[in-house]
Amino acid sequence: KNQVEQSPQSLIILEGKNCTLQCNYTVSPFSNLRWYKQDTGRGPVSLTIMTFSENTKSNGRYTATLDADTKQSSLHITASQLSDSASYICVVPSGGSYIPTFGRGTSLIVHP
Amino acid sequence: DAGVIQSPRHEVTEMGQEVTLRCKPISGHDYLFWYRQTMMRGLELLIYFNNNVPIDDSGMPEDRFSAKMPNASFSTLKIQPSEPRDSAVYFCASSSPGVVYEQFFGPGTRLTVL
Repeated sequence: KNQVEQSPQSLIILEGKNCTLQCNYTVSPFSNLRWYKQDTGRGPVSLTIMTFSENTKSNGRYTATLDADTKQSSLHITASQLSDSASYICVVPSGGSYIPTFGRGTSLIVHP
Repeated sequence: DAGVIQSPRHEVTEMGQEVTLRCKPISGHDYLFWYRQTMMRGLELLIYFNNNVPIDDSGMPEDRFSAKMPNASFSTLKIQPSEPRDSAVYFCASSSPGVVYEQFFGPGTRLTVL
């Protein structure tokens, strides 16, 4: 069964600190992995996509990594800001199709 | 582009009533997805269309749910009759194959069934 597991479920950090969110997947065959950010009351917005051949990709203060051998991805947020408070969702399409398997998300709260 | 448009943004109805949610995808996108999000289950794919044709509706919970896409710029998700367990946020998303699986989500419709 295709699964995407995220950890931690929730995280509270102080503004300016760094944090790392984890995503483990069992989806096969693998084509790509995407991280979405979902602000409260809004739809998810894509942050970055990782394909099989990519190990690291940055988008501003967000850096995603992918280890296709261990089927793990991480999202690192540098110098957190209050606006980073959101849910971060890891998504992997199933078997090259358009049917996505979603992680349950990590809820991040950044305190001043 | 205005992005994916959904209406209404909030819907409160009583059990047994019919509910219709509406979606306008981004112009030029040929895939449209309907999702449901709850605290307990997270995001779940209900159904998706390609070029207005339903491709996979295996996520539709039961016969009370139906979805249509009469043209490239409009889709509806209907629940009849509604039940309290249908309370959730329903998202519509669209994508084009040229953007490598990237789905653009609408703002969602928060449905409360009393």
